[in-house]
Amino acid sequence: KNQVEQSPQSLIILEGKNCTLQCNYTVSPFSNLRWYKQDTGRGPVSLTIMTFSENTKSNGRYTATLDADTKQSSLHITASQLSDSASYICVVSQFSGGYNKLIFGAGTRLAVHP
Amino acid sequence: DTAVSQTPKYLVTQMGNDKSIKCEQNLGHDTMYWYKQDSKKFLKIMFSYNNKELIINETVPNRFSPKSPDKAHLNLHINSLELGDSAVYFCASSQGAGVPYGYTFGSGTRLTVV
Repeated sequence: KNQVEQSPQSLIILEGKNCTLQCNYTVSPFSNLRWYKQDTGRGPVSLTIMTFSENTKSNGRYTATLDADTKQSSLHITASQLSDSASYICVVSQFSGGYNKLIFGAGTRLAVHP
Repeated sequence: DTAVSQTPKYLVTQMGNDKSIKCEQNLGHDTMYWYKQDSKKFLKIMFSYNNKELIINETVPNRFSPKSPDKAHLNLHINSLELGDSAVYFCASSQGAGVPYGYTFGSGTRLTVV
């Protein structure tokens, strides 16, 4: 079954601290892996997209890693800010029938406290 | 502003009614999508159109009917609404469907069926 599982479900950290979110997937055939940030009441916003051959990608204070052999990814947030409080969603794209189909995890809800 | 815009943002209606949600993108993208975000926060693909042609149609009740009058618009009509249809519906677009393009999401329509 094609699934994307994320941990932890929720996380509270203090402003300025670093954190790492985890993603495991069983999607096949794999096309690419994406991390999205979703603020409350808003649509998801793309942070990174990684294909099979990429094992790390950065976007400012966000760094995503991908291990396609173990089917694991992580999102590392450096020097967290209050505005980082949001849900972070791991999304794996399945290539099927000539098209990409996105399979979403349930997200990790991050709260950054002052 | 370049964006994916969907209306209405909130929709409260009674069981059995018929309602429509509209989506428009001015990004010049070829592909548009409807996603449903349930109470567990998973986003699941419902439909995808590429240049006005239906390319993805997941297991969705036939009470849901998408319509794409042109590639900048993808509307969702729902007949005979049921309590289980309550969710947040997101429209999204991407440059194409076959390669790892980024997706741009709208802000969502929160549908509540009472």
